[in-house]
Amino acid sequence: NAGVTQTPKFRVLKTGQSMTLLCAQDMNHEYMYWYRQDPGMGLRLIHYSVGEGTTAKGEVPDGYNVSRLKKQNFLLGLESAAPSQTSVYFCASTQTLAGGIGPYNEQFFGPGTRLTVL
Amino acid sequence: QKEVEQDPGPLSVPEGAIVSLNCTYSNSAFQYFMWYRQYSRKGPELLMYTYSSGNKEDGRFTAQVDKSSKYISLFIRDSQPSDSATYLCAMSAERGYSTLTFGKGTMLLVSP
Repeated sequence: NAGVTQTPKFRVLKTGQSMTLLCAQDMNHEYMYWYRQDPGMGLRLIHYSVGEGTTAKGEVPDGYNVSRLKKQNFLLGLESAAPSQTSVYFCASTQTLAGGIGPYNEQFFGPGTRLTVL
Repeated sequence: QKEVEQDPGPLSVPEGAIVSLNCTYSNSAFQYFMWYRQYSRKGPELLMYTYSSGNKEDGRFTAQVDKSSKYISLFIRDSQPSDSATYLCAMSAERGYSTLTFGKGTMLLVSP
C-alpha cells in the first residue's frame, strides 16, 4: 500500500494564479483532511470530508475550496493564490470506527506539498 | 486562550537524557489524547495514544494524562539522536470524532 500520497511535492505560484493539490489514499478510509502547517502556528485544519461527496470547513477555510468526488481522492483548490497561502500542506485520512472496536483511529498523513506564492 | 498550548522549544538534550514534553488544554470534554512525531520535511506519524486519565508505556516512551489538571505529558527515556523531531500533541472529545485539535508542536534536538 502506498498510504497517503500528495501531488505535487513542490510548487511555486505567482499571486493570482490558481492550482489544485491532489491527495490520494489507498486504505479505503472514509475521512480525509487538508491541513496547512506554518512556523509557530502548528497544524491548522483547512477543510475535511467525512465521506465521498461531503466536505466541511475547518479552522482556516478562506481562500480554499475542496472536492471529494471519489472516496480515495480529496482535492484542495486555490482559486487566486496569495502570498499568505505560502505554506506546507498536508493531507491525512482515517477510517471511521466500526463495531466499537478500539477507542481511536489514527490519522495517516501524506508527505506534504511545499507551496510558495510570490 | 488557545484550546491546546504547547511550548515550541527547541528543547536540546544530550543523548541518554530523559525528556519531558507537555501540553495543556482548556476543553474539559477532551478524553482522547495522542502524540504525533514529525521528522523534518515529513508528515506527522502517530507515536502514542491514551484514553482518559492514566499512563501508557511503549518501550522508551510513556504518555501520561492528568485530566484534573488538563495536562498531558510524553516522557522519552534514554533519548537517542534519532528521537530528534517535532512532537505534536493532539486531542479529541468524541470517540467517533471527525477532527482533532493539535498543539503547535515542540522541537526536540538530541545531541550525540
